[in-house]
Amino acid sequence: NAGVMQNPRHLVRRRGQEARLRCSPMKGHSHVYWYRQLPEEGLKFMVYLQKENIIDESGMPKERFSAEFPKEGPSILRIQQVVRGDSAAYFCASSPRNPLIQETQYFGPGTRLLVL
Amino acid sequence: AQSVTQLDSHVSVSEGTPVLLRCNYSSSYSPSLFWYVQHPNKGLQLLLKYTSAATLVKGINGFEAEFKKSETSFHLTKPSAHMSDAAEYFCVVSENNRGGTSYGKLTFGQGTILTVHP
Repeated sequence: NAGVMQNPRHLVRRRGQEARLRCSPMKGHSHVYWYRQLPEEGLKFMVYLQKENIIDESGMPKERFSAEFPKEGPSILRIQQVVRGDSAAYFCASSPRNPLIQETQYFGPGTRLLVL
Repeated sequence: AQSVTQLDSHVSVSEGTPVLLRCNYSSSYSPSLFWYVQHPNKGLQLLLKYTSAATLVKGINGFEAEFKKSETSFHLTKPSAHMSDAAEYFCVVSENNRGGTSYGKLTFGQGTILTVHP
């Protein structure tokens, strides 16, 4: 059973370009979470998605960032017109979201974004 | 709202000696609590979790943590450190509603870097 997959593992972009980060959840998991880890900091929640729905986007910056989790295919975190401050590690996690049990989120290896 | 405070940003121990990583939390209702470990340039691995069952939780690699509601603490311990334990450790809280269902998002502490000396 493959774990959470993220690609690319490393991404270099110049200021003003777009960054697309992909996340495939574990098999059987229908809920995806994105977190950002800035240098020397802990992870900060960005967004929580179910297939075709955004459940909680309270941690997403208001501009340039968007996320989706389509019916088919991976979840995508999209950053438009990247700036140097977007350089960070972006982690995706997934869970089965069984409401009867306390959920564990399983994390992917992360995508390390460097903006030049 | 929930929050997590890891009381030490760095902990240094000698191989074979005990490890104590401290964590305090705040939460409106009964939370779920986790410890994750992150090795350099790697993803996060779950060490253990507390979900309102036994207050002493045993995890992988000999780690355990005790949930103390009166002290709002969830400290991580290990009797004997190994060189491979050197990593960054995150205490994490997931807030639950009155019915015990998670809201989903995790709140992370700032992390504690554990160094193990030979």
